[in-house]
Amino acid sequence: GAGVSQSPRYKVAKRGQDVALRCDPISGHVSLFWYQQALGQGPEFLTYFQNEAQLDKSGLPSDRFFAERPEGSVSTLKIQRTQQEDSAVYLCASSLIAGDDVYNEQFFGPGTRLTVL
Amino acid sequence: KQEVTQIPAALSVPEGENLVLNCSFTDSAIYNLQWFRQDPGKGLTSLLLIQSSQREQTSGRLNASLDKSSGRSTLYIAASQPGDSATYLCAVGPGTALIFGKGTTLSVSS
Repeated sequence: GAGVSQSPRYKVAKRGQDVALRCDPISGHVSLFWYQQALGQGPEFLTYFQNEAQLDKSGLPSDRFFAERPEGSVSTLKIQRTQQEDSAVYLCASSLIAGDDVYNEQFFGPGTRLTVL
Repeated sequence: KQEVTQIPAALSVPEGENLVLNCSFTDSAIYNLQWFRQDPGKGLTSLLLIQSSQREQTSGRLNASLDKSSGRSTLYIAASQPGDSATYLCAVGPGTALIFGKGTTLSVSS
């Protein structure tokens, strides 16, 4: 089947605008993760869902960042009042399951490159 | 706090060489370690996943080892090819989220 897909692939926003980034995980994958990757750095964890439940949001950098997965499939990462420091690649990953000592391989999407002017 | 370090940051080799990429982590209490490849402007492609109970995994020309007690993993690439040119990322899973190193950028010249 298809891998993880993300849209849009590129997004340019003016400072202060709100943006919404979409992730379609692999069908049947229970766990979904969002990561942020700054230029020249490794990805950094933002938040994690198991089905529709957001179990960990410790990596969200500010209250301007909000993520949801209302039906346990597609997820949206929303950034309000974007700032220049939000410019990065936002990666989504999914895995069959995670937690309770069962840690499966994470599969990543192509990412959304966000540029805030 | 878990920290992941990858050395070297960049590596250039001629085609055909065997090479080793290094990854170290500060906290040995991990559940798994995953090696990824990232091409410019692309997402991450999973190469190998080693569970904490395993010591190595192999896929084609790639072999990854894990030594939890010393906090180290190596990715061995045999007979390198120009198509192997990419950034290689190591990530450890102390929990559900992965913690990544900054990567090693590999360039293989023909």
